[in-house]
Amino acid sequence: AQSVTQLDSQVPVFEEAPVELRCNYSSSVSVYLFWYVQYPNQGLQLLLKYLSGSTLVKGINGFEAEFNKSQTSFHLRKPSVHISDTAEYFCAVSAGETSGSRLTFGEGTQLTVNP
Amino acid sequence: KAGVTQTPRYLIKTRGQQVTLSCSPISGHRSVSWYQQTPGQGLQFLFEYFSETQRNKGNFPGRFSGRQFSNSRSEMNVSTLELGDSALYLCASSLSPSGADTQYFGPGTRLTVL
Repeated sequence: AQSVTQLDSQVPVFEEAPVELRCNYSSSVSVYLFWYVQYPNQGLQLLLKYLSGSTLVKGINGFEAEFNKSQTSFHLRKPSVHISDTAEYFCAVSAGETSGSRLTFGEGTQLTVNP
Repeated sequence: KAGVTQTPRYLIKTRGQQVTLSCSPISGHRSVSWYQQTPGQGLQFLFEYFSETQRNKGNFPGRFSGRQFSNSRSEMNVSTLELGDSALYLCASSLSPSGADTQYFGPGTRLTVL
């Protein structure tokens, strides 16, 4: 079984500041890793995903994440945030090819960008 | 290309009733998954369908069921509703049931049980 822990439930930052949202995972098998964003009253939108290869993954809206296998982490970063980045962010894993498309999500991190 | 659509968007039911939610995947997508989102439990996997067959099921009681049609559209049903079933129900579609495929989520159906 897989589990995901998002280390911060809320992250307040000022506009144009850098931000890091932390995610650790646990799994006995190889996993694929994802970050999704959810704006109020909407579904989830994929920011980026790690399948294999380069451990630094670039996504949409200027976000990037780094896969660290030894620390079982997949932290999300953005060098300069905007007001419009205010949303809830979810880290998720799927257990490779063995569990189908089933995603296990973390509890979410509410990012609030203040002017 | 149209995204994942879910109907209805909002639903109010009373305890003991049953409800059916509908999901139309992105054209060409054959895998559909359902998730329940609540403030207390977060996002939890309900089930996954591919080629009209349930491939995976989460840890939910038998009151929760689903099906997929030959055109890949999916429905989920909840019988004998309980207050705790109040949640946002999200449907996601992907090209295949591979864990590597991106899942595209619909806007959800907000179910309120009174």
